[in-house]
Amino acid sequence: SQQGEEDPQALSIQEGENATMNCSYKTSINNLQWYRQNSGRGLVHLILIRSNEREKHSGRLRVTLDTSKKSSSLLITASRAADTASYFCATAVRTGANNLFFGTGTRLTVIP
Amino acid sequence: EPEVTQTPSHQVTQMGQEVILRCVPISNHLYFYWYRQILGQKVEFLVSFYNNEISEKSEIFDDQFSVERPDGSNFTLKIRSTKLEDSAMYFCARLNEDRDRNEQFFGPGTRLTVL
Repeated sequence: SQQGEEDPQALSIQEGENATMNCSYKTSINNLQWYRQNSGRGLVHLILIRSNEREKHSGRLRVTLDTSKKSSSLLITASRAADTASYFCATAVRTGANNLFFGTGTRLTVIP
Repeated sequence: EPEVTQTPSHQVTQMGQEVILRCVPISNHLYFYWYRQILGQKVEFLVSFYNNEISEKSEIFDDQFSVERPDGSNFTLKIRSTKLEDSAMYFCARLNEDRDRNEQFFGPGTRLTVL
């Protein structure tokens, strides 16, 4: 199975701290994406990193990808209470319009 | 980019009944996906749909499931005879116009409860 695993499963931090979540997957990929899900809501696309990229930034988000270790990390800097949500990594194994394989998710709680 | 919309937001049904979940694209997109998320578990791919045909489906998508785009706009997922284990959130997603990026934009989901 391609489906990945995130760790930690749950993370609780104080507002202003940085949050780091990790994702591991099993087979080769074309790209890896991170999504956010507020409780009971849909998934919101955050950032995509291609297999030939090692790091990408978007605002307070920093994503790294290590294809040799089949792992990725998502760093949220200067966290805010509004960042409280579940974060999922999802992999696409080839180019084009293929389905995504989601990880198990990290539940992030940012305490004001 | 705008997300798709889904109706209903919550559907309660009796076991063995048929349900139809709807996905309404904002504009004329061609690629759609259905995913489901059982409470507390990961999001699982069900089926992808391109140009009015199934493109790919998972092992979850068995004979009790079907998809279609009956009027050229709404995209539906039908479950013919619901089971208790079909209780989940069902998400529709559309593909970014740039196919190679494979970014998918998700709807808010339909919560299906089978009693």
